[in-house]
Amino acid sequence: KAGVTQTPRYLIKTRGQQVTLSCSPISGHRSVSWYQQTPGQGLQFLFEYFSETQRNKGNFPGRFSGRQFSNSRSEMNVSTLELGDSALYLCASSLRSPTINSYNEQFFGPGTRLTVL
Amino acid sequence: GIQVEQSPPDLILQEGANSTLRCNFSDSVNNLQWFHQNPWGQLINLFYIPSGTKQNGRLSATTVATERYSLLYISSSQTTDSGVYFCAVPATGANSKLTFGKGITLSVRP
Repeated sequence: KAGVTQTPRYLIKTRGQQVTLSCSPISGHRSVSWYQQTPGQGLQFLFEYFSETQRNKGNFPGRFSGRQFSNSRSEMNVSTLELGDSALYLCASSLRSPTINSYNEQFFGPGTRLTVL
Repeated sequence: GIQVEQSPPDLILQEGANSTLRCNFSDSVNNLQWFHQNPWGQLINLFYIPSGTKQNGRLSATTVATERYSLLYISSSQTTDSGVYFCAVPATGANSKLTFGKGITLSVRP
């Protein structure tokens, strides 16, 4: 079974631009979560999408948004890029049980390394 | 929210040595994952372990949920074990939202 894929792997943008990152989950997985990793803040949860709906959101400004398509692929968008948005962006997929107290193992993609100049 | 602390922050070992990495969490959890981040940044799943002990080759993990900690054991370490090890737990009521520790950087010297 193919793993989680992310495109592009590397990206260089300038301040003020916007960027779109893509994530394809493992076949059969319906939940996609996004995380930002920086040296200062570590790994932080951005948001989760399931059945094309945002289910959970982290503490990030509205410049960070996402969406999920009917085939479970997800995109995240960052508008008006700032230098501090330079980071490794990781997405994770899981089966996501409908029971709130259940947990499904998450599997991560290789990440997209974004550099903002 | 839940807090996750990992120790020690850095670990240097000679090849062949054994090590224990610790993860403490501030609240009860219904699961826990251990990851190894490779040099290219990808998080590789090591264990998915809400409680008890699991083993996979030279690696094993134990979670004692009632005491809010988990341990990752690496035996007969190899240079390829180098990297950053993270533990992560799901948020209460938001199982897909993982909270990560700051990681443990392991360097295995030949």
